[in-house]
Amino acid sequence: KQEVTQIPAALSVPEGENLVLNCSFTDSAIYNLQWFRQDPGKGLTSLLLIQSSQREQTSGRLNASLDKSSGRSTLYIAASQPGDSATYLCAVRKYSGGGADGLTFGKGTHLIIQP
Amino acid sequence: NAGVTQTPKFQVLKTGQSMTLQCAQDMNHNSMYWYRQDPGMGLRLIYYSASEGTTDKGEVPNGYNVSRLNKREFSLRLESAAPSQTSVYFCASILRVRTESYEQYFGPGTRLTVT
Repeated sequence: KQEVTQIPAALSVPEGENLVLNCSFTDSAIYNLQWFRQDPGKGLTSLLLIQSSQREQTSGRLNASLDKSSGRSTLYIAASQPGDSATYLCAVRKYSGGGADGLTFGKGTHLIIQP
Repeated sequence: NAGVTQTPKFQVLKTGQSMTLQCAQDMNHNSMYWYRQDPGMGLRLIYYSASEGTTDKGEVPNGYNVSRLNKREFSLRLESAAPSQTSVYFCASILRVRTESYEQYFGPGTRLTVT
């Protein structure tokens, strides 16, 4: 059974710092990996999607890497801002050919950026 | 274009009552999903529908039934609610854009309390 672990569970840093969120998964037979952002009381917003054949994806100040063989991904946030405060979720989709299977999620990293 | 919509936003049930959570998407997506989110547990897949007319169990299907009414709508039914089903329920959909590319969208969630 696939298990996804996110470290740390919570993080509080001053504004402007660069930071790294970690995600690990136990079964490397994945189709892709996604990072989401969730604001309190809200739904999930997709940040980055990395296919299993890719090593990294970038969007603005966000960069996500994937090392499928070691079962690890990192989300790098550059020059953090108070608006980045949210819970960040990592999720993997297992490989099944059709690609329609659901995601397995980690429990998230609760991030607070202090002004 | 409303994306993924869910009704109701909030619901309180007594143990043993039944209800149906509604989900609809207007993006012509093929696959739809129901997840539940509990504190300390992350999001877990309840059921999914890879395409119109098909449904499959996810990680935690017990106590739930689903109906893929048409391509737009995917409902989740609790036949006899239990306190353990107190949770936030998220509906999601994906569109397979290319062989290795998906767009994934989540609804805003339904907060359900069973007393």
